[in-house]
Amino acid sequence: DADVTQTPRNRITKTGKRIMLECSQTKGHDRMYWYRQDPGLGLRLIYYSFDVKDINKGEISDGYSVSRQAQAKFSLSLESAIPNQTALYFCATSDQNHEQYFGPGTRLTVT
Amino acid sequence: GDSVTQMEGPVTLSEEAFLTINCTYTATGYPSLFWYVQYPGEGLQLLLKATKADDKGSNKGFEATYRKETTSFHLEKGSVQVSDSAVYFCALKNTGGFKTIFGAGTRLFVKA
Repeated sequence: DADVTQTPRNRITKTGKRIMLECSQTKGHDRMYWYRQDPGLGLRLIYYSFDVKDINKGEISDGYSVSRQAQAKFSLSLESAIPNQTALYFCATSDQNHEQYFGPGTRLTVT
Repeated sequence: GDSVTQMEGPVTLSEEAFLTINCTYTATGYPSLFWYVQYPGEGLQLLLKATKADDKGSNKGFEATYRKETTSFHLEKGSVQVSDSAVYFCALKNTGGFKTIFGAGTRLFVKA
């Protein structure tokens, strides 16, 4: 089984809808991250969490919120989706050597 | 602030050709450097890393050497295969920093 899983893998939603992307990990890592990937822009950090009680904004947090329900679960919400949030979203964890472990991604389309 | 710059793609090569993907960085202190690879439809996975100057990371025939004097971490492979077609990301993590900084990615196509 995959160490980092994301659900859903694909989602199409309409402008203004609230949507939640979920991430679970079995690696036992405290650190978890949400990124979005856009063509030519690499990965940009949305939020990160170093433990259940520690949540921090990344470089592009506007329009997003997160919840760390447990060490193994970190969800990303779009409160009111807009078309420019169409992107590929990745959850990741990291170990003490700073190596990151990524989920398979969620492709989100906002129409 | 810290940053990573890598060569724009796409890079198109024939099978068994030599590969170089350039990566340079800007950082204070002594960052750890990484190359990640993203195969079609998948998340990124660590390819190799180096944690101090002059270290060479290697994996699956790929190599990269941490050059502090030129602030570079170029990725090389002597003979690419079709299965190496993917997007490659250079990244750095600075000591005490809270996040990993990724380059924009370089797409590699290898033709049979």
